[in-house]
Amino acid sequence: ETGVTQSPTHLIKTRGQQVTLRCSSQSGHNTVSWYQQALGQGPQFIFQYYREEENGRGNFPPRFSGLQFPNYSSELNVNALELDDSALYLCASSIRANNEQFFGPGTRLTVL
Amino acid sequence: QQQVKQSPQSLIVQKGGISIINCAYENTAFDYFPWYQQFPGKGPALLIAIRPDVSEKKEGRFTISFNKSAKQFSLHIMDSQPGDSATYFCAALTQGGSEKLVFGKGMKLTVNP
Repeated sequence: ETGVTQSPTHLIKTRGQQVTLRCSSQSGHNTVSWYQQALGQGPQFIFQYYREEENGRGNFPPRFSGLQFPNYSSELNVNALELDDSALYLCASSIRANNEQFFGPGTRLTVL
Repeated sequence: QQQVKQSPQSLIVQKGGISIINCAYENTAFDYFPWYQQFPGKGPALLIAIRPDVSEKKEGRFTISFNKSAKQFSLHIMDSQPGDSATYFCAALTQGGSEKLVFGKGMKLTVNP
């Protein structure tokens, strides 16, 4: 059984560009949540996907968007990158209503 | 408004000692309380979790104590080891709707040999 995987590991972009981050959920999990973790802080909830639909959103602007695919993998897209978007982006997968969320290793995004 | 407050921010203990991390929450709708361990450059790993109908849960060297009336919960790490040196996060979640985790700010634990 493979755990949650994320790609790429690291990414460097410039302000104004767009980025796509990818996540493969753990086998048997049907829900994917995305979190942003700034340096020295706890993860902040961005949004969650279940049955290919957004199922809740945190305090993030619309330029943060996502997708979930039929195989439960997911993408996080960020448009018009800002310097403050520099962070570790974490994906967590779970079984709906089970509550246990298992995190991937994250993608470190640096915006210059 | 920070819904989950964690203390202390950092802790240094000697090998074999007990590490205690405290968290307080405000939202009484929270009904699932996990603890995560995170090493530098890695994602958080689920350590142990508790629901409010239980006052204590133990798994190996890790114990969660839960006080529903005080809206507080804590993690005790017994016989702390240098390999336990990491950042620990408490979190809370409301079942139903969007099952989002609300995290504390984290506590950096250093266990000296």
